[in-house]
Amino acid sequence: DSGVTQTPKHLITATGQRVTLRCSPRSGDLSVYWYQQSLDQGLQFLIQYYNGEERAKGNILERFSAQQFPDLHSELNLSSLELGDSALYFCASSVGGGLYTGELFFGEGSRLTVL
Amino acid sequence: GIQVEQSPPDLILQEGANSTLRCNFSDSVNNLQWFHQNPWGQLINLFYIPSGTKQNGRLSATTVATERYSLLYISSSQTTDSGVYFCAVQPTQGGSEKLVFGKGTKLTVNP
Repeated sequence: DSGVTQTPKHLITATGQRVTLRCSPRSGDLSVYWYQQSLDQGLQFLIQYYNGEERAKGNILERFSAQQFPDLHSELNLSSLELGDSALYFCASSVGGGLYTGELFFGEGSRLTVL
Repeated sequence: GIQVEQSPPDLILQEGANSTLRCNFSDSVNNLQWFHQNPWGQLINLFYIPSGTKQNGRLSATTVATERYSLLYISSSQTTDSGVYFCAVQPTQGGSEKLVFGKGTKLTVNP
């Protein structure tokens, strides 16, 4: 158990819909990262938050958004879903937020299927 | 951006065999981690090893940062070692704190 909690574990929805994925970081960790893993793209970095503020942005679509709340949990919102958004979405957390973030720990992932 | 190359892409072993997985990266890094993704999709931390050598049971890892590579050794492999092994690095340049993943090595251990 990494200490990072993600919900839901599985989600099936239809094209055009909107979903929210939730992540609780390890106790004491200030940084939260979101990654997408699809069969053809591998593990791709989406976005990072540190202590409530956006820190870095990767290949995140405009239809996707995220935030980190004062209690440090984070949510990833995916809207206008397309078939190609089907993937495993991971959240990770780490203690730091600077160049030396320390070790990242990953949650079990949320498997999204868009039909 | 930084390139992370893992080899071999696929590896099939008999139980009890030893193996070495390699990760090459194209630029200097602050952080390097090895992960095992099991058949259920979980990403399990194996090593946090920006430099030097570490051992944990049958697994060990070595990172030579100056030569931009890392090796993961698996000894006396077991069927439960099957899955995909990822190397991920945090580049020093660019001010980014994200981990960049390689494409992984898919390991199959047969009984």
